[in-house]
Amino acid sequence: NAGVTQTPKFRILKIGQSMTLQCTQDMNHNYMYWYRQDPGMGLKLIYYSVGAGITDKGEVPNGYNVSRSTTEDFPLRLELAAPSQTSVYFCASSYVLISYNEQFFGPGTRLTVL
Amino acid sequence: AQTVTQSQPEMSVQEAETVTLSCTYDTSESNYYLFWYKQPPSRQMILVIRQEAYKQQNATENRFSVNFQKAAKSFSLKISDSQLGDTAMYFCAFMKHEGRGSNYQLIWGAGTKLIIKP
Repeated sequence: NAGVTQTPKFRILKIGQSMTLQCTQDMNHNYMYWYRQDPGMGLKLIYYSVGAGITDKGEVPNGYNVSRSTTEDFPLRLELAAPSQTSVYFCASSYVLISYNEQFFGPGTRLTVL
Repeated sequence: AQTVTQSQPEMSVQEAETVTLSCTYDTSESNYYLFWYKQPPSRQMILVIRQEAYKQQNATENRFSVNFQKAAKSFSLKISDSQLGDTAMYFCAFMKHEGRGSNYQLIWGAGTKLIIKP
């Protein structure tokens, strides 16, 4: 199993541009999550999904959109990129809605908006 | 609102020593979960250990153990016989026991950078 994969690893965007961060998991997990990690900070939840076709907002959803058309894929869309979105983005998945169960993380995407 | 505080931004110890990382949290909930995650330079976030609040016994995973003090809202991580590979950022995280459905909430601390010196 590859686990959770994310592409790209690095990206530089200009203000106002758009892009999609890709996330795929091959563990047949129902639950998937997007986090952002700002320098010197913990993770903040952007969006999560409890299954194909179902998504919900987390703590910091503004400026982002997600979709979940399949169990495996959970892309994160940035519209009109802003410098405040400069961060490292992590995708994660779990077998059940976190609770006591482990979340498996991807390697992250480092995004810079200039 | 729940908060998680890690008061040590950075710690450094010699290889083979024991080190304790502190974590305190604030909540009015009685049932919840606590986690320690490790983030090495590769950036991959890895679960180290987890604890359910209703369990009085402290969790242990090989060289990693916790000191869970529910009344004091403290959840420290002890690493015994530290190894060079333990060098990483360590994050403490709290989750309310929400059950199934939405209203999922996982709160993370700011992290402690741990350096193991040879």
